[in-house]
Amino acid sequence: NAGVTQTPKFQVLKTGQSMTLQCAQDMNHNSMYWYRQDPGMGLRLIYYSASEGTTDKGEVPNGYNVSRLNKREFSLRLESAAPSQTSVYFCASSEFATGGPDTQYFGPGTRLTVL
Amino acid sequence: TQLLEQSPQFLSIQEGENLTVYCNSSSVFSSLQWYRQEPGEGPVLLVTVVTGGEVKKLKRLTFQFGDARKDSSLHITAAQPGDTGLYLCAGTHNAGGTSYGKLTFGQGTILTVHP
Repeated sequence: NAGVTQTPKFQVLKTGQSMTLQCAQDMNHNSMYWYRQDPGMGLRLIYYSASEGTTDKGEVPNGYNVSRLNKREFSLRLESAAPSQTSVYFCASSEFATGGPDTQYFGPGTRLTVL
Repeated sequence: TQLLEQSPQFLSIQEGENLTVYCNSSSVFSSLQWYRQEPGEGPVLLVTVVTGGEVKKLKRLTFQFGDARKDSSLHITAAQPGDTGLYLCAGTHNAGGTSYGKLTFGQGTILTVHP
């Protein structure tokens, strides 16, 4: 099992360009998440999908859109990239057991630079 | 937004020393998790604590959840260079059993253990 995979690993954009970050998991998990990680700020939740067919905003959703394409795939789109979106982006998945705390499994990250 | 404050932000010690990392909040959490992240990779779960006052041990690592479930600590005994990495605490709130999936992360503690 590959776990959680993300593409691309690195990306450089110019201000105003658009791009889509791809994420896929092969663990048959119900829930998927997108985070961004900036120095000194830990991980902040951008969007999440509790189950196939649903998406919800997290802590920092402005400037992003998401699509839960199917149970395996969850993509993050930047419509008009800004320098403030320079960050490392992590996708995660979890079973989302409502009876107790979850374990989230993270991908290796996408390092995005917006010039 | 329920905040988690981690301290210290940076820790540089010699092999064999002991250390403690703290994670504090003004909010009550249903569960508290500790993750470890190595450079270029995503975070990996170390432990989950759910009961106030709970103590869990993982080899040389000891995790404690505060009695009021607002704080947690990670203690490492006889640190080794292999312990080097970013340590993140993350909490969940259970709002009627629907929020277990959403994690709030602390800012992280960068630990460097010198040989």
